[in-house]
Amino acid sequence: GAVVSQHPSRVICKSGTSVKIECRSLDFQATTMFWYRQFPKQSLMLMATSNEGSKATYEQGVEKDKFLINHASLTLSTLTVTSAHPEDSSFYICSAGSGTGNTEAFFGQGTRLTVV
Amino acid sequence: EDQVTQSPEALRLQEGESSSLNCSYTVSGLRGLFWYRQDPGKGPEFLFTLYSAGEEKEKERLKATLTKKESFLHITAPKPEDSATYLCAVREYGGATNKLIFGTGTLLAVQP
Repeated sequence: GAVVSQHPSRVICKSGTSVKIECRSLDFQATTMFWYRQFPKQSLMLMATSNEGSKATYEQGVEKDKFLINHASLTLSTLTVTSAHPEDSSFYICSAGSGTGNTEAFFGQGTRLTVV
Repeated sequence: EDQVTQSPEALRLQEGESSSLNCSYTVSGLRGLFWYRQDPGKGPEFLFTLYSAGEEKEKERLKATLTKKESFLHITAPKPEDSATYLCAVREYGGATNKLIFGTGTLLAVQP
C-alpha cells in the first residue's frame, strides 16, 4: 500500500507556543489530505480536509485560526497548532488519498502532542 | 444522523479461539466500508475495503463481510500478535470527497 509519513512522532511543547506537524505522501501524489484528532479510548475525529493549492475545509467546532493547515504541494501537508494549551494535548493523525472515488485512505504514524 | 457503531468495545480471546467483531452503520448511501487495525501509539493500518452487500475479503486469519446494515470482521484461530484495536469506517455518497466516518473501535486482546 501507499506510504504516508508523519513527523514528529512525539512532541512536548510549552503552553503558548506553536507546533508544526508534517504529513508527507512518499510514493504517490496526494490531492487530498485529512487531519484527525484522537483522544484516549476514542475514535478518530476528523478536524479538516485539505486539497492541494486551496484552503482547508474545517469540521464544525474546529477553530481554523488555532489549527492552521497548509497543503502547498501534492506530497506535503502541515498542521500547525498555534498558541497551544494543555487541552490541545492529543494524538494527531493525517491521512492521504490520491484522488476522488472509492480510494482507501492511508494513514501516517500519528503525532503525540503534549502541552505542558 | 449518519452513524457507525462497533461492538463489542473490548474482546478478550484465548489463542486459537475464533470470534467476530461487528460494525453497524446507518448512512444514506454507502460508498465503501473500511476496516483498519490500530496498534497503541500508531496510526491506523488499512486492512480491507468492501463496497457492496455480499462482498467478502480475506487476509490471513481475517475475513471481512458486508450486508446492507453491518459488517463483520471474523478472526479465525487468532494469535497474540492479532491483539490491537480494530476500527471500521464508512464513506457515503453525497458527502465530502473521501471523508470517512469512524466507529469507536473494538479492542482485541488475544492471550497465549
